[in-house]
Amino acid sequence: IAGITQAPTSQILAAGRRMTLRCTQDMRHNAMYWYRQDLGLGLRLIHYSNTAGTTGKGEVPDGYSVSRANTDDFPLTLASAVPSQTSVYFCASNPGGQPYGYTFGSGTRLTVV
Amino acid sequence: QKEVEQNSGPLSVPEGAIASLNCTYSDRGSQSFFWYRQYSGKSPELIMFIYSNGDKEDGRFTAQLNKASQYVSLLIRDSQPSDSATYLCAGTSSNSGYALNFGKGTSLLVTP
Repeated sequence: IAGITQAPTSQILAAGRRMTLRCTQDMRHNAMYWYRQDLGLGLRLIHYSNTAGTTGKGEVPDGYSVSRANTDDFPLTLASAVPSQTSVYFCASNPGGQPYGYTFGSGTRLTVV
Repeated sequence: QKEVEQNSGPLSVPEGAIASLNCTYSDRGSQSFFWYRQYSGKSPELIMFIYSNGDKEDGRFTAQLNKASQYVSLLIRDSQPSDSATYLCAGTSSNSGYALNFGKGTSLLVTP
């Protein structure tokens, strides 16, 4: 692993199903983030975590949950997927504590049908 | 909602010209600003960051920040076709830890 790994790369999901998007980093970054990117709407923050054991809500948190049990992993769960959650999801991280730029994962393209 | 605004473009410039990308922000608590480049189907990659008023140069790129006017810009000198991409402006959020608020991006096309 080098940087941030997201899985799966893409997924087609039936509406109403539960889905967890995985995000793992090997840089020992304290802060991690989940964004969704939609055409015409840009990148919008879903949830963030400034350090292991803490999480916070971003701009569009409804329908999503996260956990941060350790430094490396920051999974995003859709409890019951809806078509409006069709999007490209990016996980990102930075060292935290100061305003640093992000390192982004390669993204997960999710289609809810 | 505290916003970062960008002209969506497309901005078209000829090869070798200077491309000027602009961004305004509404969150007066934003401390640092970032420019990312995103190619179609790829993840954003960091080009530059700036946190002090004035100019910051890195190779062909110059970032400019004016906190009084809440204005950020990116100049790309000697534009190349490989610079054709979407450029995202982002500022730190004053209410989400050190999360970034992103603009919707400006599409740049450099024509040979």
